[in-house]
Amino acid sequence: EAQVTQNPRYLITVTGKKLTVTCSQNMNHEYMSWYRQDPGLGLRQIYYSMNVEVTDKGDVPEGYKVSRKEKRNFPLILESPSPNQTSLYFCATRGQGAFGYGYTFGSGTRLTVV
Amino acid sequence: GDSVTQMEGPVTLSEEACLTINCTYTATGYPSLFWYVQYPGEGLQLLLKATKADDKGSNKGFEATYRKETTSFHLEKGSVQVSDSAVYFCAVLIAGGTSYGKLTFGQGTILTVHP
Repeated sequence: EAQVTQNPRYLITVTGKKLTVTCSQNMNHEYMSWYRQDPGLGLRQIYYSMNVEVTDKGDVPEGYKVSRKEKRNFPLILESPSPNQTSLYFCATRGQGAFGYGYTFGSGTRLTVV
Repeated sequence: GDSVTQMEGPVTLSEEACLTINCTYTATGYPSLFWYVQYPGEGLQLLLKATKADDKGSNKGFEATYRKETTSFHLEKGSVQVSDSAVYFCAVLIAGGTSYGKLTFGQGTILTVHP
């Protein structure tokens, strides 16, 4: 079954404590992306990756890092989380050139920074 | 840049009422259009899509038609059920230009259906 797996599903942390949200896909897709969802703002792209070792900023990259060392994994790193990064995060992937199919999303990670 | 505007919610309806959620977009290139649904406590699921002008996407009784002349993709359902209560997102995906391959979302519309 095609899947995008995020971990953890829920996370409460304190300001400044580094954390990583993992994302893995089993579809052999080259394109992966991270979004955050906030009420009234919809989903906004944080970072995306067109392929291994190729990453680029989305619309709201400040305070986040990513890496793409292998095709299946695309972790999201918060080096020094702040309360304004409290949000619902989604990892997503799509097939190369498969624009008519949209994205496949993970189940989400609800992050609370206190 | 590319953008999507959805009608503001929340929308509250009685069961069996008609639903329309408006969605308009601005985009360069040749966008594909999508509606995603998020049920309470869950992730995003693709509800329906359309990839070219005049295409009609449909699923679970929902429909939306790609109107290039009005840059719209309104979501409709003739008779809603309590189980349709969810957040609905309109989205566009651009195949070219500076937004290559990026899925851009509207702000989401909360739908609540009462028995």
